Amino acid sequence: AQKVTQAQTEISVVEKEDVTLDCVYETRDTTYYLFWYKQPPSGELVFLIRRNSFDEQNEISGRYSWNFQKSTSSFNFTITASQVVDSAVYFCALSLRDDKIIFGKGTRLHILP
Amino acid sequence: SAVISQKPSRDICQRGTSLTIQCQVDSQVTMMFWYRQQPGQSLTLIATANQGSEATYESGFVIDKFPISRPNLTFSTLTVSNMSPEDSSIYLCSAQLRVNYGYTFGSGTRLTVV
Repeated sequence: AQKVTQAQTEISVVEKEDVTLDCVYETRDTTYYLFWYKQPPSGELVFLIRRNSFDEQNEISGRYSWNFQKSTSSFNFTITASQVVDSAVYFCALSLRDDKIIFGKGTRLHILP
Repeated sequence: SAVISQKPSRDICQRGTSLTIQCQVDSQVTMMFWYRQQPGQSLTLIATANQGSEATYESGFVIDKFPISRPNLTFSTLTVSNMSPEDSSIYLCSAQLRVNYGYTFGSGTRLTVV
């Protein structure tokens, strides 16, 4: 069975601090895809990144970076120099064969001014 | 950029009635997905809708309660039948609009059953 665990339910940091959101996944398949989504207070789901299981390169996009480690089945997300606009719920998700997505429970991130 | 339009955006319904939610994609897609997000919770997949075949439902969801139509490659509907207050949730449709990209979600339908 497939599963995504986001152990951090809620995190609060002061603006400009760095913050890492943890994601651990479970699957027996060798081909899978991992995602991160952002859900701001307005409610829409914003796609951030998709990574396939054969690409373990870390990714950086502006203040966002992702660390994919198959050895620990983790796909962690770091926001550098956080800003108030980063306040949102962040979901890590998993899909097999680029099919339906299974979501983690989400981490609510509060960036305090 | 490709978008998914969903309507209604919100509704307040009486218990025992049904509501049909529409999802329109501006490009042809093989699969469309319907999710439920209960207040303060994560997204749970209800079913996968393929054009020309019956939808595939996840455990805990049944066709009688959540009938789905998929008449063509750009459109799908989800009906929430015989509603009760426990059905109060946000319902979202989703599709992969670009190869090797993330899934795009509609803006959601916020349903309140009274």
